[in-house]
Amino acid sequence: AQTVTQSQPEMSVQEAETVTLSCTYDTSESDYYLFWYKQPPSRQMILVIRQEAYKQQNATENRFSVNFQKAAKSFSLKISDSQLGDAAMYFCAYSPGGAGNMLTFGGGTRLMVKP
Amino acid sequence: EAGVVQSPRYKIIEKKQPVAFWCNPISGHNTLYWYRQNLGQGPELLIRYENEEAVDDSQLPKDRFSAERLKGVDSTLKIQPAELGDSAVYLCASSLVGQGVSEAFFGQGTRLTVV
Repeated sequence: AQTVTQSQPEMSVQEAETVTLSCTYDTSESDYYLFWYKQPPSRQMILVIRQEAYKQQNATENRFSVNFQKAAKSFSLKISDSQLGDAAMYFCAYSPGGAGNMLTFGGGTRLMVKP
Repeated sequence: EAGVVQSPRYKIIEKKQPVAFWCNPISGHNTLYWYRQNLGQGPELLIRYENEEAVDDSQLPKDRFSAERLKGVDSTLKIQPAELGDSAVYLCASSLVGQGVSEAFFGQGTRLTVV
C-alpha cells in the first residue's frame, strides 16, 4: 500500500519570505502523480500544484514550486514571497496512474504566516 | 461553473441515530469520491464511483455505512446507526477521468458531530 508522510505538523514563515514543506512517499509503482492541496478553514481542498512522476522537470505555479526527487521519493513544496492568504493546512497527496485519481493523503502541515 | 456542492455543512446527532449526506458533483464529471477526514488528519477515501458503479469501496465500513449514486450524478452517503467515532468531516470530490490525470475538485464538506 502507498503511504504519504509529512513530518512537519506546523511551520511558520514571515510574510514575503520563503518556506519549504516536506513530503515523502512510498510506492512500488513507476507511474504515479503527486499533488499539494491547500485546505483553508472553509475546509474546501484546493489544488496548489501537481507533478507527473515521468516528468523530470519540477512543476511550478507562480509562487509555488516543487522539488521532486524520484529516487529519494521526496516531494517538497516551496512557497516564495509568502502572503497572509497562504496560511492554511497543506496536504501532500499521491495517486497511482490509471487509478481514477484516487488520492492518498499525508497527515498535513499547518502553515502560519506572520505579518 | 458551479463547484461540488455538499449539504448539510454541519450536522449534530446523537449516537445510534441515522444520518445522510448529499453531494452534487460538477456537471459532466464521471467520477465521484467520498472521503472522511478525522480531526488533525488527512482525508481517507471511503468509496469511489465511476458513473453509477462503485469501483472501490474497500475502506467503507459496510456494516453501518452505505452509499449510492443515482443516474451517475448526485450521491448520498448514509450512516446507520452512527457511533461516536464517526465524528469527522465528510468530503465529496469529483473529476473527469479519462486519459492521464485530471484534477479532483472538492466540496466544502459536512462536519458531523456524534454526541
